[in-house]
Amino acid sequence: QITLKESGPTLVKPTQTLTLTCTFSGFSLSTSGVGVGWIRQPPGKALEWLVLIYWDDDKRYSPSLKSRLTITKDTSKNQVVLTMTNMDPVDTATYYCAHQLRTGYYEFDYWGQGTLVTVSS
Amino acid sequence: QSALTQPRSVSGSPGQSVTISCTGTSSDVGSYNSVSWYQQHPGKAPKLMIYDVSKRPSGVPDRFSGSKSANTASLTISGLQAEDEADYYCWSYAGSYTYVVFGGGTKLTVL
Repeated sequence: QITLKESGPTLVKPTQTLTLTCTFSGFSLSTSGVGVGWIRQPPGKALEWLVLIYWDDDKRYSPSLKSRLTITKDTSKNQVVLTMTNMDPVDTATYYCAHQLRTGYYEFDYWGQGTLVTVSS
Repeated sequence: QSALTQPRSVSGSPGQSVTISCTGTSSDVGSYNSVSWYQQHPGKAPKLMIYDVSKRPSGVPDRFSGSKSANTASLTISGLQAEDEADYYCWSYAGSYTYVVFGGGTKLTVL
């Protein structure tokens, strides 16, 4: 049974760096073909894919946010960590981590519950 | 503004069929058979309903079907049920630079 859960601050100030952790179970990020992604959703708005990390540490970043994002993994802890620099109020959103359905594609079959991050001074 | 265009809302009565369109370009929907659809109920995480234009993950009812013609993908829900009322989002692969483009979402109301 695959589960994922996001954790991190609920409130960050503008210009600060956001760090979110995705803790998962039911699969291993050291297994060939496995990937975990981050997706966000501003309140009342559409989904937006952010980044994907593969079992071999290959990474794919959304071009529009690439300069601000870093994704890492800790296979021993079954965790993926997302950092986003220079946070702005427009980055207020629910941030989800999700399990990639299959290698090389951008569908996600298992999702965390999401964590709402508000950017405000 | 989303790269893929979806109607803001659609509606149908129980038992009827509804179709949600997702219009992209020749650089995304038109070039790749990698369109997916997500269902999202209020306050919940999205659920993958369709991938590769028309494939259903395990557990998704066959009332949900997908298709594509040129630059437009479609999600059809037949035999509408009350629990189908949700927001639906389309995504498309868009090449090795952009990776993914997404629609703005469609609110389905079951009358």
